[in-house]
Amino acid sequence: EAGVVQSPRYKIIEKKQPVAFWCNPISGHNTLYWYRQNLGQGPELLIRYENEEAVDDSQLPKDRFSAERLKGVDSTLKIQPAELGDSAVYLCASSGTGIAKNIQYFGAGTRLSVL
Amino acid sequence: GQNIDQPTEMTATEGAIVQINCTYQTSGFNGLFWYQQHAGEAPTFLSYNVLDGLEEKGRFSSFLSRSKGYSYLLLKELQMKDSASYLCAVRSHVGNTPLVFGKGTRLSVIA
Repeated sequence: EAGVVQSPRYKIIEKKQPVAFWCNPISGHNTLYWYRQNLGQGPELLIRYENEEAVDDSQLPKDRFSAERLKGVDSTLKIQPAELGDSAVYLCASSGTGIAKNIQYFGAGTRLSVL
Repeated sequence: GQNIDQPTEMTATEGAIVQINCTYQTSGFNGLFWYQQHAGEAPTFLSYNVLDGLEEKGRFSSFLSRSKGYSYLLLKELQMKDSASYLCAVRSHVGNTPLVFGKGTRLSVIA
């Protein structure tokens, strides 16, 4: 079974440019999370989806960040415009239902460098 | 507020045992998780505790005391490949709610 797939793995952009990240969760997982991980820190939640509905986006900087999960499967996270402080690893995770619903599975992340 | 504390770095010798501690203060509690993260890779699930006591899984064990807000991850028979960051995370509420992570403990296994 494939895990959580993210692309690209790395992205280098200049400040004020837009950038987008893509995530494909584990098949059948209804819940999808976007986390941001700064160097030497643990992941911090940006947004959580239940199917196509964003149910927790209180930590998402809405002036420049947006996300969507139109068909309740894949998701994209966008930053426009990017700032220097946005340099971090953006992790996507998913979790399912039933006995395994407690466990979040992570993708390898997209490492963003804003110059 | 939410606060999860764990040591920043630890060093241990190959073949030895190491215990990584985690203390937490959260608004609610519905499970504590340990993840392993090698540099540049995804966090990988190791263990989950929701009731007090010890959960053993091969070389790795995890302990929870809810009354003390305390957990530890025990790694036995350390191998060089165990060098990684170990993340302690708490879920505050029931359901697929987000995890609150500590900053992680970077473990270095030396020969």
